[in-house]
Amino acid sequence: SAVISQKPSRDICQRGTSLTIQCQVDSQVTMMFWYRQQPGQSLTLIATANQGSEATYESGFVIDKFPISRPNLTFSTLTVSNMSPEDSSIYLCSGGQGVPSGELFFGEGSRLTVL
Amino acid sequence: GDSVTQMEGPVTLSEEAFLTINCTYTATGYPSLFWYVQYPGEGLQLLLKATKADDKGSNKGFEATYRKETTSFHLEKGSVQVSDSAVYFCALSETDSWGKLQFGAGTQVVVTP
Repeated sequence: SAVISQKPSRDICQRGTSLTIQCQVDSQVTMMFWYRQQPGQSLTLIATANQGSEATYESGFVIDKFPISRPNLTFSTLTVSNMSPEDSSIYLCSGGQGVPSGELFFGEGSRLTVL
Repeated sequence: GDSVTQMEGPVTLSEEAFLTINCTYTATGYPSLFWYVQYPGEGLQLLLKATKADDKGSNKGFEATYRKETTSFHLEKGSVQVSDSAVYFCALSETDSWGKLQFGAGTQVVVTP
């Protein structure tokens, strides 16, 4: 199994600022992903965090708004840039080994409120 | 595109009652199906999964059967406990998209003593 820790767990941010969320896994994982859960909605995949290369973004998400880094197999960051109130969400980091029988593990999420 | 629809909550039950949460899906291929659970104050945890038609996933007294003919993956538990109070998410992923989950909206379950 893998334990995924995120920082910060919550924050209140001002419009126009940027915030970086850190994700640390207690063991090496092949695959890491970032999800978003907007208020009252389900989870939506933002991007796949690729080690040592640019992240792969899902439709509707762009690198300028959500830059992602993954320098190694246990760590990733997601930055929410130039925030607006619409960015108020829970951002979740997830990871796993990417094998058919493998489990995808999730962090507890980072709850951002943009004023 | 793929989608998952699950029944709205909250679902309020008494302890030892039978729980069913309906989940249906649309997918272009042959997805794997999952139920995740989020207990209060905790992160998402995998509850059970099924990777092909007619597979039954089970864990902690919960069961769900992958029904291709009805495109469903309903979650059931015969006798719930207060500790089962949580939000339950149905999800799918396509065969070539490990880790890329399409989630349902989530169903909050409240079990009262």
